[in-house]
Amino acid sequence: QQKVQQSPESLIVPEGGMASLNCTSSDRNVDYFWWYRQHSGKSPKMLMSIFSNGEKEEGRFTVHLNKASLHTSLHIRDSQPSDSALYLCAASRAGYQNFYFGKGTSLTVIP
Amino acid sequence: ETAVFQTPNYHVTQVGNEVSFNCKQTLGHDTMYWYKQDSKKLLKIMFSYNNKQLIVNETVPRRFSPQSSDKAHLNLRIKSVEPEDSAVYLCASSLTASNSDYTFGSGTRLLVI
Repeated sequence: QQKVQQSPESLIVPEGGMASLNCTSSDRNVDYFWWYRQHSGKSPKMLMSIFSNGEKEEGRFTVHLNKASLHTSLHIRDSQPSDSALYLCAASRAGYQNFYFGKGTSLTVIP
Repeated sequence: ETAVFQTPNYHVTQVGNEVSFNCKQTLGHDTMYWYKQDSKKLLKIMFSYNNKQLIVNETVPRRFSPQSSDKAHLNLRIKSVEPEDSAVYLCASSLTASNSDYTFGSGTRLLVI
């Protein structure tokens, strides 16, 4: 059973547009969420993490977390073609290092 | 340069052969992992090692085995590969055994023919 679900599976946005990606965990024991970005043929690299309810912003990237619903979202404003990649959401339990990854959202930013 | 280094980048082999993949991290991290990424890009954990001790061993086929000489090295051996083993194998490390982010290696792509 997949513990982390991501939507949409794929997303196309125009350059300069806003991309919104969603992630929900079905494991009530999850405490932490991570967002990774994987460009084609490359390894995943961590973008942002969020552990507390609320919002966290870093440059063009904003993540939200609602711990009650175990839902996190990643928003990319002013999307650039270089943002085209697979975005992976991961969740972990406090005190455990085992990350559960979702299947990812494939983002394409069209110039 | 500090990072996670994997070799080889690619490996093609026949069904039934044995293969070994190497992973070394120079980040001074305590914990290392092996993940398998299938053709649909789904990442599944296979093993994790903390200071040479196996702390997570997910249900993987017994033909897979991790091998570690110290906390900076974690190799993966596959005895008698099967076609379904074709995938990208990603090694990663984290500073501690809980709640710290991963640094991934560049991956080893295995093709079993």
